[in-house]
Amino acid sequence: GNSVTQMEGPVTLSEEAFLTINCTYTATGYPSLFWYVQYPGEGLQLLLKATKADDKGSNKGFEATYRKETTSFHLEKGSVQVSDSAVYFCALSRTGNQFYFGTGTSLTVIP
Amino acid sequence: SQTIHQWPATLVQPVGSPLSLECTVEGTSNPNLYWYRQAAGRGLQLLFYSVGIGQISSEVPQNLSASRPQDRQFILSSKKLLLSDSGFYLCAWGLKPNEQYFGPGTRLTVT
Repeated sequence: GNSVTQMEGPVTLSEEAFLTINCTYTATGYPSLFWYVQYPGEGLQLLLKATKADDKGSNKGFEATYRKETTSFHLEKGSVQVSDSAVYFCALSRTGNQFYFGTGTSLTVIP
Repeated sequence: SQTIHQWPATLVQPVGSPLSLECTVEGTSNPNLYWYRQAAGRGLQLLFYSVGIGQISSEVPQNLSASRPQDRQFILSSKKLLLSDSGFYLCAWGLKPNEQYFGPGTRLTVT
């Protein structure tokens, strides 16, 4: 079946630290991969996506590379800010209509 | 531009009472519509999706149902709520495959 596994949180980092949130997936064929961010009390916002192997999605300083050989889509940011504190969800889609989400990773950035 | 609305924002209901959550999308036609539930400490679970008026696909059999009476309106209902129905309910829309834009969510607490 299709599934996404994210690293467990919560993650606490100091401002300007390097961030990595691991995400691996299981899927048949060639899924599209996504990272969504959820700020407190709000819905999810698309952060970045990649639709084929070796694609790199990037937005707001965040990056993730679609690695088919390791079935991974790890989220990285070189220097986090307090405003990056949120819950981050990795997701995949095979058919376009059915998304499968990970359990989310809570990030807190302290000044 | 397109916007998505959900109401109510928060809801507290007793066990056994009915439920009706509404989602509407503005600024687009014939969107795909989705209902997700986010339980505490868990990821998002796709409950229903719809590709057109009156067309509903159920992902998880349970005591919830969905209806799409108008093109841009998606309703989530229950005849009798259970404690386990508590959670954060998110509506999403998209026009293309691999496209989902989320609403602000409804926080439901069943007591």
